Amino acid sequence: QSALTQPASVSGSPGESITISCTGTSSDVGGYNYVSWYQQHPGKAPKLMIYEVSKRPSGVSNRFSGSKSGNTASLTISGLQAEDEADYYCSSYTSSSTLVLFGGGTKLTVL
Amino acid sequence: EVQLLESGGGLVQPGGSLRLSCAASGFTFSSYAMSWVRQAPGRGLEWVSAISGSGDNTYYADSMKGRFTISRDNSKNTVYLQVNNLRADDTAVYYCAKGRVWFDYWGQGTLVTVSS
Repeated sequence: QSALTQPASVSGSPGESITISCTGTSSDVGGYNYVSWYQQHPGKAPKLMIYEVSKRPSGVSNRFSGSKSGNTASLTISGLQAEDEADYYCSSYTSSSTLVLFGGGTKLTVL
Repeated sequence: EVQLLESGGGLVQPGGSLRLSCAASGFTFSSYAMSWVRQAPGRGLEWVSAISGSGDNTYYADSMKGRFTISRDNSKNTVYLQVNNLRADDTAVYYCAKGRVWFDYWGQGTLVTVSS
């Protein structure tokens, strides 16, 4: 089972908005509303930012939002801040026996 | 406060075995599925395995089936991952995470290094 497809890197200036895409298939991203997004700073454990496509856990800034169209999910970060610089991973439930797929990760650079 | 504390990692020779443990606190452990996710050095996240709250149902990534066994002891609030016949490409930080298809809490990870 192939990983979900994410861009390797994105960048933006403070205050701008960026969007990270996550492309799968109808067997995962497109077929279920179980897409989640994680932020990972170097040397740290991942942190849940979005679950079930667009829901934000308590304590996560409303600058982070998620959406989905067809087989592609997206994470948008508005009002970029220096602390947002990190790696971001998408994940989805899959109907295959593997159960969960991750994307390859996207490195966000805040210029 | 939810806490997940992994242990059991270390240096092991190819073909060896390890049992990783994850001690949980701060939530009703038996009510939640638990998972293991690994990350090879400089690489992305890879889902490994999950187990239901009761322990009756287990799930594995296709590439992990046969060598990995997940289990839990709800009396000890602990989930385990037994890994056998370790290979160099199993070298990774292994994270314990709360949840089955999305993961709201993660431990700090335990490093497994497979090398002769």
